[in-house]
Amino acid sequence: NAGVTQTPKFQVLKTGQSMTLQCAQDMNHEYMSWYRQDPGMGLRLIHYSVGAGITDQGEVPNGYNVSRSTTEDFPLRLLSAAPSQTSVYFCASSTGGRETQYFGPGTRLLVL
Amino acid sequence: GQQLNQSPQSMFIQEGEDVSMNCTSSSIFNTWLWYKQDPGEGPVLLIALYKAGELTSNGRLTAQFGITRKDSFLNISASIPSDVGIYFCAGDFNNAGNMLTFGGGTRLMVKP
Repeated sequence: NAGVTQTPKFQVLKTGQSMTLQCAQDMNHEYMSWYRQDPGMGLRLIHYSVGAGITDQGEVPNGYNVSRSTTEDFPLRLLSAAPSQTSVYFCASSTGGRETQYFGPGTRLLVL
Repeated sequence: GQQLNQSPQSMFIQEGEDVSMNCTSSSIFNTWLWYKQDPGEGPVLLIALYKAGELTSNGRLTAQFGITRKDSFLNISASIPSDVGIYFCAGDFNNAGNMLTFGGGTRLMVKP
């Protein structure tokens, strides 16, 4: 049981490049979320999903796309990276409701 | 969006001292959560609070859900070096568990 895994751990992009941050969980959790954490700040919700085929926007969705084709995977896509997207990205999953939300180890992204 | 104000931003204390940090919001939350984040890791849940006025302990940690549902505090008693890290409060408005609003964090440093 690996919990929530994220790849890659680190990534450097040039402005305008696209990439996909991967997130997978093996706990059969219905709920998954993506957050970003900027230096000295708390996490902010980007997108979330309450089940396969269902996604919705969080607080800061602009510049990001998501899809949820399976229960296990919830990739985050940056279509055209901008320096403002330099951040640490965390994926989280839970069974919903009052159950604990488990966070992955994060992906550190630098956009030049 | 909703804002959580967490204070203090940082604390540098002597081992053995007690620590107190708090979080206030302009909006009501139905659940308050406290997380700890170690360097290079994702946040880990410490305590969850589900009812206004609730006081919950987890070892040396004690947290309370404010009566107005707009604030919460976390106390750590008899601090030890492994308490070092960043502590975040988070509010859950709809109790879905996947749309959290985070405070800015309290960075705790403990001098042996």
